[in-house]
Parts: sequence; structure tokens; C-alpha cells
Amino acid sequence: EPEVTQTPSHQVTQMGQEVILRCVPISNHLYFYWYRQILGQKVEFLVSFYNNEISEKSEIFDDQFSVERPDGSNFTLKIRSTKLEDSAMYFCASSEAAGSYEQYFGPGTRLTVT
Amino acid sequence: AQTVTQSQPEMSVQEAETVTLSCTYDTSESDYYLFWYKQPPSRQMILVIRQEAYKQQNATENRFSVNFQKAAKSFSLKISDSQLGDAAMYFCAYKEGGAQKLVFGQGTRLTINP
Repeated sequence: EPEVTQTPSHQVTQMGQEVILRCVPISNHLYFYWYRQILGQKVEFLVSFYNNEISEKSEIFDDQFSVERPDGSNFTLKIRSTKLEDSAMYFCASSEAAGSYEQYFGPGTRLTVT
Repeated sequence: AQTVTQSQPEMSVQEAETVTLSCTYDTSESDYYLFWYKQPPSRQMILVIRQEAYKQQNATENRFSVNFQKAAKSFSLKISDSQLGDAAMYFCAYKEGGAQKLVFGQGTRLTINP
């Protein structure tokens, strides 16, 4: 069965550094998402992406974040200058369409900012 | 803003018994969808069951069923004949009809006792 994959599984970085989290969505899906979960807190929506542009974003998704689909398969989340509070589990998801269509989640990347 | 509340941080049940996980939500919208996601340890979140708000009939997927009380804004998950493989974190999620983001509850950790 097709799966969403994410790399790396764990990323450690120093405060102020840039990180890029990578995701490969399911191949025939058109909508892509990033969520994050700070330890002990809820899973929070960051951004959705459709037709090569951001379709929805949360107030968390400020100027230090950006997303890109650089080729036909990858979907990336870039954090320009990491802060300690960016430490979290980042989940990528994809769906065939909007509405009630299931969002398929990847296994997550644990980001630790020191 | 829409909120989702899961009031049970942890639940446990004997194998083969039935367990109900609670979820309430707050919205002023009439067009929305509700989901239950399961996250096994170190695995990605997978969709267990979904409910469209316009449907009066409660959704059922094999041993999983929901009790959708629209007026009370309640969406509980019942797992019948619990199996060891049901042990996981369960997340209730809400999605507005015209939006793409999922709004998650805090999660309920379910333990199955053999």
C-alpha cells in the first residue's frame, strides 16, 4: 500500500540554523500538509499546499517557515532560523482531494533544536 | 475558532471487551467532518473512521463505530472485541467543510490488557 515517507527520522540542529524536512507524498495525491506536535501537546496544523501554492496556513506558519515542491515527488518544509521552541515532531500528510478525503500521514521527523 | 476536546488522557480495557473513547468539539459551522485517527507506537497515524456532519447515520467500520450526537457536539468512538493490536494513541479530529486543516484533540492513550 502506498505510504507517505519522511526524512530524516530525527534531526538535531543548533539554534539559528536552517533545516529542511523532506517528505514524499503518495504519488497521485494533490494536497499536501505539514503538522507539528510539540511534546505533550496537540497535533497542530501548519500549512496546506495545492497546485504549487499555499492554500491555507495557520498563525504558527510565519516568515521563518516555507514550503516547496521542488520536483514531482518531494515536498519540503524549511525553517530558516530555528528556535528552541521549534523542537517538535513534524508530520507530513497528503490527500487525493479536499473535503472528507483521508489525509495520509507520514511517520514524522523529530526535530531537536539545541 | 474550532476546538476539539478529548477528556480521557488514558484508557485501558481487557482484551475482547468493549471500550468507548470520548470526544467533544465546538463549532458554529454546519458543514464539517469528524475523524478518528489511530497512532500505534512509533508508527504513523492512520484513519480509523470518518463521519460527515450531514449524515444522521453513525459510521461503522468493522469493530469500530461512532456515536455522533450533533446537537451535543459529541463524537465518541466505540471499539468492540478489543484486540492487542488496538493499543495506540487515538486522536479525534475536526475539519470544516471548506477548509483543509484538521483540528486535533489532545489524544487518548489506549492500553489493551491481555
